[in-house]
Amino acid sequence: QLQLQESGPGLVEPSQTLSLTCTVSGGSIDGSSYYWDWIRQPPGKGLEWMGSVYHSGTTNDNPSLKSRVTISVDTSRNQFSLKVSSVTAADTAVYYCASGHGGNPGTVHYWGQGTLVTVSS
Amino acid sequence: DIQMTQSPSSLSASVGDRVTITCRASQSISIYLNWYQQKPGKAPKLLVSAAASLQSGVPSRFSGSGSGTDFTLTISSLQPEDFATYYCQQSYSAPYSFGQGTKLEIK
Repeated sequence: QLQLQESGPGLVEPSQTLSLTCTVSGGSIDGSSYYWDWIRQPPGKGLEWMGSVYHSGTTNDNPSLKSRVTISVDTSRNQFSLKVSSVTAADTAVYYCASGHGGNPGTVHYWGQGTLVTVSS
Repeated sequence: DIQMTQSPSSLSASVGDRVTITCRASQSISIYLNWYQQKPGKAPKLLVSAAASLQSGVPSRFSGSGSGTDFTLTISSLQPEDFATYYCQQSYSAPYSFGQGTKLEIK
């Protein structure tokens, strides 16, 4: 059973870059059947899919984030990461790393517990 | 981008009730529709994928149906642990958008 755990700063200053890492256990991040997602949820609001990275390194991101998002994979550490540049208060949210498998990218079978990131000076 | 609209946004019901939540896509998504359940302070949990495929371990009182643009999640007999927020999500094309959620509350 795949397990995911987010880590990173809980407070980021406006205009800075938010950086989070997701550590994967119970499976290999370069396994051909997996894809790796970041999803966020502002306090009291709904879910927003931010983007995905595949075992091949190919990425897909949400155009609504205006190219501020970078998602990458570190196979040597069995981790994948998220960077969001030029953050504002609107980026305050619980950030989830997530994963799915099989032939249907976007379907999330596994979730991390989530980490709250607050953007504030 | 594909927009997902759920109705209702909130719903009050009693234990034992049958409830239905609706999700509509802004364009046809075939059967690429997932349903998630989220309880306060927890990550969402996948209940149904591909519109009607119940995930392992999910009680049979949950069922999903639909194709194209219109989908439903039905809970046949509400149990106390079912009071939560439910989200639909399309996995037809990126960005994989979610509905705004339906909060199911105890009447």
